[in-house]
Amino acid sequence: DQQVKQNSPSLSVQEGRISILNCDYTNSMFDYFLWYKKYPAEGPTFLISISSIKDKNEDGRFTVFLNKSAKHLSLHIVPSQPGDSAVYFCAASAIGTSGSRLTFGEGTQLTVNP
Amino acid sequence: DAGVIQSPRHEVTEMGQEVTLRCKPISGHNSLFWYRQTMMRGLELLIYFNNNVPIDDSGMPEDRFSAKMPNASFSTLKIQPSEPRDSAVYFCASGTGFDNQPQHFGDGTRLSIL
Repeated sequence: DQQVKQNSPSLSVQEGRISILNCDYTNSMFDYFLWYKKYPAEGPTFLISISSIKDKNEDGRFTVFLNKSAKHLSLHIVPSQPGDSAVYFCAASAIGTSGSRLTFGEGTQLTVNP
Repeated sequence: DAGVIQSPRHEVTEMGQEVTLRCKPISGHNSLFWYRQTMMRGLELLIYFNNNVPIDDSGMPEDRFSAKMPNASFSTLKIQPSEPRDSAVYFCASGTGFDNQPQHFGDGTRLSIL
């Protein structure tokens, strides 16, 4: 039972354009959502998060949007840069699961072409 | 500012041997998580600790896997005996233990069982 799904295994965009990565979840108990970025041979690096009491959180070029009714979140990167090329994981947690226990999506490989 | 430190980075061993993976969490973090990443199953949680106490080990695949956290600054994941299907990248992560706080990952151990 995949509770967090990233349906696009890969995404390719041109430098300077917007990258939009999508994530869907099924567990209505999830109330905290995160995006991690992963380069080859490194561990996932925390990028940005959002609590379920918000519908948008912005940090520089990165914005996460949450649509609770649709159980959908997305990560927008604008403008995209070649250094953003990495695998992006969506993750979610629920209050009462002893702190920050996370459930991860499968990941989306983003390629930003110069 | 030291992050999560894992050792070894790579391990190649023969089937049947004991394997021990090590993790040093970020100082002051109260939660520690062991994950396994494979092509088939993505990033899956194996076990996590809060204040050195195992909270949920339901992700541990079978009795051949065991994990310990003897103190706040050290944890081990042991596989005995190892099998080829255990080949994967194993990540350790640590967190504050509070809700709505991200986990921080080490760079992983790439394990190959021949």
